[in-house]
Amino acid sequence: AQTVTQSQPEMSVQEAETVTLSCTYDTSENNYYLFWYKQPPSRQMILVIRQEAYKQQNATENRFSVNFQKAAKSFSLKISDSQLGDTAMYFCAFMKGGGATNKLIFGTGTLLAVQP
Amino acid sequence: DVKVTQSSRYLVKRTGEKVFLECVQDMDHENMFWYRQDPGLGLRLIYFSYDVKMKEKGDIPEGYSVSREKKERFSLILESASTNQTSMYLCASSRRATNQPQHFGDGTRLSIL
Repeated sequence: AQTVTQSQPEMSVQEAETVTLSCTYDTSENNYYLFWYKQPPSRQMILVIRQEAYKQQNATENRFSVNFQKAAKSFSLKISDSQLGDTAMYFCAFMKGGGATNKLIFGTGTLLAVQP
Repeated sequence: DVKVTQSSRYLVKRTGEKVFLECVQDMDHENMFWYRQDPGLGLRLIYFSYDVKMKEKGDIPEGYSVSREKKERFSLILESASTNQTSMYLCASSRRATNQPQHFGDGTRLSIL
């Protein structure tokens, strides 16, 4: 069975600074996908970024980038130039590849507070 | 944009009541999911459906059932609500093709008194 671990329940960062959220996972699969989702306070959960395990290049989306270390089973999220609107709960998630049901396994989340 | 709509943002029910949570998506997605979200536990999958009238149990199905009579609608049913089912419930949908991300509704915060 796959597991996803987020070891930082809460983090804080100053506006305009850079912050890195940690995520590790455990799987025996070789084909899989990893995701970071963002859930702002009282708002909808949205996809931030995704990574295909077969790709060595780290995914980037504007100020968001990942550090994907497949051998170490690590998938951290870096947020550059943090903004107040980045305040949210962040979830790391794993999806086994090759199937069609697209089930996600989530970590327990990291609550990020961006301070002015 | 994908729209996943949950019928209520907040709901208060009493122990023993039968509770229905409704979810509708407008993008013709094959897959639909129900999660509950609790502090320190993340999101846990209750049930999912990959087609009309098809359903599979997730990690915590006990005390819940689901119904999918139409492709766009996926209902979560608490047959006899209990206080330990007080939680945030999230609905999501996705295309069937592999690696497609899930799209979430706003959530329903359910309190069982």
